[in-house]
Amino acid sequence: QQKVQQSPESLTVSEGAMASLNCTFSDRSSDNFRWYRQHSGKGLEVLVSIFSDGEKEEGSFTAHLNRASLHVFLHIREPQPSDSALYLCAVRAEGADRLTFGKGTQLIIQP
Amino acid sequence: DMKVTQMPRYLIKRMGENVLLECGQDMSHETMYWYRQDPGLGLQLIYISYDVDSNSEGDIPKGYRVSRKKREHFSLILDSAKTNQTSVYFCASSRSGNTLYFGEGSRLIVV
Repeated sequence: QQKVQQSPESLTVSEGAMASLNCTFSDRSSDNFRWYRQHSGKGLEVLVSIFSDGEKEEGSFTAHLNRASLHVFLHIREPQPSDSALYLCAVRAEGADRLTFGKGTQLIIQP
Repeated sequence: DMKVTQMPRYLIKRMGENVLLECGQDMSHETMYWYRQDPGLGLQLIYISYDVDSNSEGDIPKGYRVSRKKREHFSLILDSAKTNQTSVYFCASSRSGNTLYFGEGSRLIVV
């Protein structure tokens, strides 16, 4: 069964500095990777989706996938305090009908 | 405007009472989901619905049932609620397993 782990559990970054979040998965056949953000008391919003090795950029969010090492990263350029939220990685194994979510990284952006 | 709407947003029930959580979407998505989110456990999939009257168990279906009689509407039912069903419940929808769009959540407290 797919396992998805995120690190760190919590991360504090100064406003404007790059924030980097890590997600590892267990099934190398996985073909569908998404990063979601969840502000406190709200639902999840998709930030970036990536389906092949390499990078995918959406605004200030860049996902980097390396299936050989079973890692997908999220980099946030020049984060603002409004980017403080829980960031969730979601992975789908090839042929699966569902995403498996990590437990998330709580990101705090300090002014 | 793409939207997933959950009702009610907040609910307090006594142990043993029945609970109905409702979800609607305006995107004509075939697939809908119910998740619960708990601290330390992340998002756990309860049920998937592939279309009207085509539902499948997720990872934690015990104690729950669902109903989907219209494509745009998906209900989660707890018959005889238990205290360990206190949680935040999220509904989501997608087109053919692509990007999931989430509602804002329904916070259920069972006392």
